[in-house]
Amino acid sequence: DAEITQSPRHKITETGRQVTLACHQTWNHNNMFWYRQDLGHGLRLIHYSYGVQDTNKGEVSDGYSVSRSNTEDLPLTLESAASSQTSVYFCASSDGLAGGGNEQFFGPGTRLTVL
Amino acid sequence: GIQVEQSPPDLILQEGANSTLRCNFSDSVNNLQWFHQNPWGQLINLFYIPSGTKQNGRLSATTVATERYSLLYISSSQTTDSGVYFCAVELTGGGNKLTFGTGTQLKVEL
Repeated sequence: DAEITQSPRHKITETGRQVTLACHQTWNHNNMFWYRQDLGHGLRLIHYSYGVQDTNKGEVSDGYSVSRSNTEDLPLTLESAASSQTSVYFCASSDGLAGGGNEQFFGPGTRLTVL
Repeated sequence: GIQVEQSPPDLILQEGANSTLRCNFSDSVNNLQWFHQNPWGQLINLFYIPSGTKQNGRLSATTVATERYSLLYISSSQTTDSGVYFCAVELTGGGNKLTFGTGTQLKVEL
């Protein structure tokens, strides 16, 4: 069955370190998204991609970057981790063109703690 | 940006009771989804419902796009229904980017 996976599921790191969270989907979806979930804020969009070599900033993109070298993967990099980036991170994907209106499916999440 | 409000924020039910969760949004949308986040943190797709009514077992949802709201009905609730229910919308022309509400925390007790 097609699925979307994230790794690691849990990560503890120190302030200032670079961290990369992996997201892999086997749906063959064009669109991929990264969200973070914090108490009191729900889920907020960090970055997204509509296809290979395409990346775009979301609502809370400062301190994060993504790259899309193939259809299946959209890794999220924290360039220099900060305590404010302690959160649960969700990756999602959807089919179709950038015009939207497509159902999104979510991975299991990565819990990141920055000490 | 678009505002998404959910009510009630918290809800406690006895097993077997019915409930209605509401999602109001401030602008026209071309995608609305309902999710259940279980106690383990997993986001489970319930409905993709930009308009109309859908049913899946004990759950059903209705979206009235012209009046900018959606309702999620849970009938004969079970303890496994506990968790947080989110609605998320995509603004018309919004490129499939979802804006989430802050959720309804549901607890179903025996």
